[in-house]
Amino acid sequence: GAVVSQHPSWVICKSGTSVKIECRSLDFQATTMFWYRQFPKQSLMLMATSNEGSKATYEQGVEKDKFLINHASLTLSTLTVTSAHPEDSSFYICSAVSRGGMNTEAFFGQGTRLTVV
Amino acid sequence: GQNIDQPTEMTATEGAIVQINCTYQTSGFNGLFWYQQHAGEAPTFLSYNVLDGLEEKGRFSSFLSRSKGYSYLLLKELQMKDSASYLCAVRGYSSASKIIFGSGTRLSIRP
Repeated sequence: GAVVSQHPSWVICKSGTSVKIECRSLDFQATTMFWYRQFPKQSLMLMATSNEGSKATYEQGVEKDKFLINHASLTLSTLTVTSAHPEDSSFYICSAVSRGGMNTEAFFGQGTRLTVV
Repeated sequence: GQNIDQPTEMTATEGAIVQINCTYQTSGFNGLFWYQQHAGEAPTFLSYNVLDGLEEKGRFSSFLSRSKGYSYLLLKELQMKDSASYLCAVRGYSSASKIIFGSGTRLSIRP
């Protein structure tokens, strides 16, 4: 199956700093990538939908100035958590849909566990 | 808006069969996914249904009824390693539409 690589797998950062998470589709072009956040024992909550070459669409309650998303190419989307605080500690997962993929699955990255201390 | 419901927890016995139900109400529909997620790991794809009916894949089968807004995941010959969360997710009308997840069902398998 298609591969989505997410980096880093885990990161610990100090409160107030920014963290960038990368999501790459390795063997297909992804016109759309989704960013999810998952707190312990909860399901995946969609944060934003990222379309190549255009601004991301954020879900209600997600601060776009805090969670900066850039989908610069058909194979790369990045999520930057700015001025991170302990409550931002979570598991962040990206998902990519292939170009022209009306009826295809969404492929997930490995996830990034962010801990803000 | 979209609403996806599935049971929070289920328990089943090794070797048995279990059915996990999912009901949804969405504005537009272009497919329903089932994912398996072990604790601390990313979800892994199990099935995708866009047409009504049953799709069988080894020990796992998934059923969809679009008119009823209903799907189920059937797991046969349960193994201890099947203990995981099972996530139902629905995709909107276009390929760029959001994929929204249900709250997930935590399945525990007992010997």
